[in-house]
Amino acid sequence: EAQVTQNPRYLITVTGKKLTVTCSQNMNHEYMSWYRQDPGLGLRQIYYSMNVEVTDKGDVPEGYKVSRKEKRNFPLILESPSPNQTSLYFCASSLSFSGDGETQYFGPGTRLLVL
Amino acid sequence: GQQLNQSPQSMFIQEGEDVSMNCTSSSIFNTWLWYKQDPGEGPVLLIALYKAGELTSNGRLTAQFGITRKDSFLNISASIPSDVGIYFCAGQPYAGNMLTFGGGTRLMVKP
Repeated sequence: EAQVTQNPRYLITVTGKKLTVTCSQNMNHEYMSWYRQDPGLGLRQIYYSMNVEVTDKGDVPEGYKVSRKEKRNFPLILESPSPNQTSLYFCASSLSFSGDGETQYFGPGTRLLVL
Repeated sequence: GQQLNQSPQSMFIQEGEDVSMNCTSSSIFNTWLWYKQDPGEGPVLLIALYKAGELTSNGRLTAQFGITRKDSFLNISASIPSDVGIYFCAGQPYAGNMLTFGGGTRLMVKP
C-alpha cells in the first residue's frame, strides 16, 4: 500500500532534549516536506526536499533541522525543543517538485508536546 | 510568507444542509487546492483547480477558481455526518513553488 509513515505518532518531551521524528514514503517520490499545524494557522511548511541531499527552508524553519540521505526518508530533528514547538507535525511527499498542484500525500501526523 | 484567509473558521450545520466556504488572498495563485482532514489523520486532496474561472466537481463537492485568481470557494451539497472534519484551501503561486495553506474551516454536522 502506498503510504507516508511517521514515528512516533505521539511524543511528550522536555525542553532541550533532542528528538527526531522519522518520515518514510514507499512511493519513490522525489519531493518531501514537513509541516506544522497549529489552530487557526493551517499548515505551515518547515522544510522541504526536492531530492536526495537537496533541502531548503520553508516558512518556519527556526529550531528545526532535516536531512535527506535516502530518497524514502526525511527525518525532522529538533536539537533543543522549546514549548513553542508544541504542535501537530505532518510529513508529506509528492512525485516531483514540478508543481501544478501535484498531489501531496500526507502522513498521519505526530503530536508533540514540549514541557 | 503569503497568507490565505479562509472563512468561516467553523460551521455547525444540520445534516442535509448545503455548505459554502472560501479562501481569499492578496496575491495571485496559479493553482488552488482543497483538502479535507479527518480527525487523527493527515489532509487528503479533494479537488485541484488549475485555471481561472474553472469550476470542478467531485461528487457532492464543487469548487471554483476565482476569475481574479485571488480566491476560491468550496461548496458541499446535502451534507452528511461523514463530512465532519477540517477543510483546508491551499494555493500555489506558480509551478514548482510551495503550497500556502489557509487556516482551515472546521465543519460539524448534526444528524
